[in-house]
Amino acid sequence: DAGVIQSPRHEVTEMGQEVTLRCKPISGHNSLFWYRQTMMRGLELLIYFNNNVPIDDSGMPEDRFSAKMPNASFSTLKIQPSEPRDSAVYFCASSRQLRTDTQYFGPGTRLTVL
Amino acid sequence: DQQVKQNSPSLSVQEGRISILNCDYTNSMFDYFLWYKKYPAEGPTFLISISSIKDKNEDGRFTVFLNKSAKHLSLHIVPSQPGDSAVYFCAASDTGANSKLTFGKGITLSVRP
Repeated sequence: DAGVIQSPRHEVTEMGQEVTLRCKPISGHNSLFWYRQTMMRGLELLIYFNNNVPIDDSGMPEDRFSAKMPNASFSTLKIQPSEPRDSAVYFCASSRQLRTDTQYFGPGTRLTVL
Repeated sequence: DQQVKQNSPSLSVQEGRISILNCDYTNSMFDYFLWYKKYPAEGPTFLISISSIKDKNEDGRFTVFLNKSAKHLSLHIVPSQPGDSAVYFCAASDTGANSKLTFGKGITLSVRP
């Protein structure tokens, strides 16, 4: 299995621009998670889906952030408009079930907003 | 408010010695605890876990200890190897049907040859 796939691996953009991060979970996994890693806050859960349905988006910092999962094999995290404080590494993870011990993480997207 | 706390940002140990990574939590509803390991430019990978019904779980060189009364867990690595140098995240979840993992900020472990 290829594991969780994220694209792009690196993104540099200017403040005010729209940013879209993409994730392909492991085939057969029913749960998908978006995390953000920063030095100040560590690894934060932004939103997670189960069977393509958003379960908890309480970690999404602002309305500028949105996430979709149109099907079982694809999810996007969009920031519009982006701001310098959004600069971080964004991880996507998937697991077979919501209540399971192992989440498999993708390699992350390093976002830099200038 | 950080529900999972890893108060030491870094740890340096000599190869062959024991590494002890600590983690504290505040939510008494947490009943499952995990450690993830992360190398630079990679995503975290699952290392070891423990249920609240146990106080110890061992997997090779890695052992996790849980002290529920103190709301404290620790990861022991014996013997430490240079390849263990990474960031280690402690995580916890509760019994809710829609439970999610809450992560600490991570500890950077450096194992000196």
